[in-house]
Formats: sequence, structure tokens, C-alpha cells
Amino acid sequence: RKEVEQDPGPFNVPEGATVAFNCTYSNSASQSFFWYRQDCRKEPKLLMSVYSSGNEDGRFTAQLNRASQYISLLIRDSKLSDSATYLCVVTRVNTGFQKLVFGTGTRLLVSP
Amino acid sequence: EPEVTQTPSHQVTQMGQEVILRCVPISNHLYFYWYRQILGQKVEFLVSFYNNEISEKSEIFDDQFSVERPDGSNFTLKIRSTKLEDSAMYFCASLERVTTDTQYFGPGTRLTVL
Repeated sequence: RKEVEQDPGPFNVPEGATVAFNCTYSNSASQSFFWYRQDCRKEPKLLMSVYSSGNEDGRFTAQLNRASQYISLLIRDSKLSDSATYLCVVTRVNTGFQKLVFGTGTRLLVSP
Repeated sequence: EPEVTQTPSHQVTQMGQEVILRCVPISNHLYFYWYRQILGQKVEFLVSFYNNEISEKSEIFDDQFSVERPDGSNFTLKIRSTKLEDSAMYFCASLERVTTDTQYFGPGTRLTVL
């Protein structure tokens, strides 16, 4: 079983739509959780951290459910510039050193 | 804003040749990483480095790979005898503190092995 699983998509949505991505992780020792955004052939860039209490940053809302080992990302009022691959990322700290574990990513295409 | 830089942006090499990929992490960061992303696949951890030694490495990071911090600023990944399957994007990342901080990624080096 993959350590971080995501639906690869693509999700095709019109501008202005609301879209939700989900992710599950298998290792209960995972400590921190993030959504990264990756544009084609570019580096991953941090979109937001994810907390159990939920957190919001403008049009983006992320949620963590530790009991279900489930992470979500909601994008409201989609823009053309939101087209990208969204990577669910968890960290494990092993012997004091942090390591990022990536999902395969969910591709979003926002059309006019 | 400080950033991680990587050179070259694209490296083309013949199978069996040695390549060195270079990274300059953010200056006050203490933890350094290399990740790899084969085209169309997920980003994979290769190795982490702290206090001038490897702290963790993946099973991908076999004897053909090595890392070094030759001076106070550069962090390098050497691939001794490249194979076709080493073709990928290689991302360097750095981290200030291990507990809650975020890793910052460089723009990557695209390695093409012919």
C-alpha cells in the first residue's frame, strides 16, 4: 500500500467552481501534513500546512482527520491560475530527522 | 526572500559518465535534502544530510550516489556512473529546524542520460 494516496485526476472544472481533493496516508507516525503545488516541470511549492482544527488561506481550506488518516483541500472560486498538480505531503521524523513523503499528486485543470 | 538555488538547470550526459549536481541551500538552514522525480511520477526522497553526514537515505540512494558539503555554502549530489533510469528532475531542499519547519525546494536540475 502506498504511504500517501491521492486520486491522480485530472479534475476538469470551470472558472469559479469549487473543487475538493482528498488524500489518505498509511503511517500513523506521520507528524506534519502539507499541501504543495507543483506546476509542470517546476519545483514543489508549499501551498499550506494542514491542522486538525482546519485552516483557511483565502480561497483554500485544508483539513486533517488523524483518526481516519485523511487530509483534504478545498478550493473555492477556482481561477485559471489554479491549474496545477496538488501534492499531498506528510512528514516523518526518524531518529530526529525529518523526511517528506509525497503523494503522486492530483492534477487540476481550470478552464474559462 | 532567501531561496535555494541549483545548477545546472539541465544536464545531459552519456550513460556511464559521472555528474555532479550543485545546490546552494538557504544560508541559516542546517538540514539538507535531495529528492528525485522521474517524469510522470511522484517526488521521492533520496537522502538527508546534517552536520556533515548523511542522516537518512532511501533504497534508491545506492553506492553510485554520494553527497557532500565541500564548503560552507554548496551541497552536491554526485552520481558516479549514470544509468538511463537516472534521468529525472533532482530537487535540493533545505530546512532550518527539524520539528515544525517547512522544507524549501530549489528549482531542480533536469538530468537526461543518453
